[in-house]
Amino acid sequence: DIQMTQSPSSLSASVGDRVTITCRANQSIASYLNWYQQKPGKAPKVLIYAASSLQSGVPSRFSGSGSGTDFTLTISSLQPEDFATYYCQQSYSTRGTFGGGTKVEIK
Amino acid sequence: QVQLVESGGGVVQPGRSLRLSCAASGFTFSAYGIHWVRQAPGKGLEWVAVIWFDGSNKHYVDSVKGRFTISRDNSKNTVYLQMNSLGAEDTAVYYCARDQPNDDYWYFDVWGRGTLVTVSS
Repeated sequence: DIQMTQSPSSLSASVGDRVTITCRANQSIASYLNWYQQKPGKAPKVLIYAASSLQSGVPSRFSGSGSGTDFTLTISSLQPEDFATYYCQQSYSTRGTFGGGTKVEIK
Repeated sequence: QVQLVESGGGVVQPGRSLRLSCAASGFTFSAYGIHWVRQAPGKGLEWVAVIWFDGSNKHYVDSVKGRFTISRDNSKNTVYLQMNSLGAEDTAVYYCARDQPNDDYWYFDVWGRGTLVTVSS
């Protein structure tokens, strides 16, 4: 299976900060990379698919980039509702493995 | 509205079986693949299994191969996950999710609320 590694595992940031989360695959996955946001007790919600395509209804402060093995999720100006855990997922393989998650906490 | 609803979770003893259901509504169920994803308490997401829209293909994470079986009944708009020989490591919230294809890509655009499976004696 394709292994996905996220960093950092957690970070503290303030409202208005620019936040960047990275995700690395152990083999090339082209642009087959999704990003999800999960809040406590809730199901995940897709933010970005195909590495950089913004899901309908997701605020434009979220953006994704990368291809091959290295990807980033950027939140341009962190809002109070963005404090959550973020996961990357590869969709190169039918067995869509996830990264370990990045918890974004309030500083 | 478009939704998925899981059911069938509960407390089960090690070595026993459980069957989860994922009931769909609000969309053409037979046109979509459905996945199961689980999340152990306090842990990250783990992809578990997928069944194609017509049931023709199924795939599993290695840790459940030979123990779990995914199936679907398109006449009932329902996907099932039969879980046998359960162990403590299977304790998790189990989510079903819809596979949304977009050109050559896919992602999970609809998720259920999850059902908790606890394996304990």
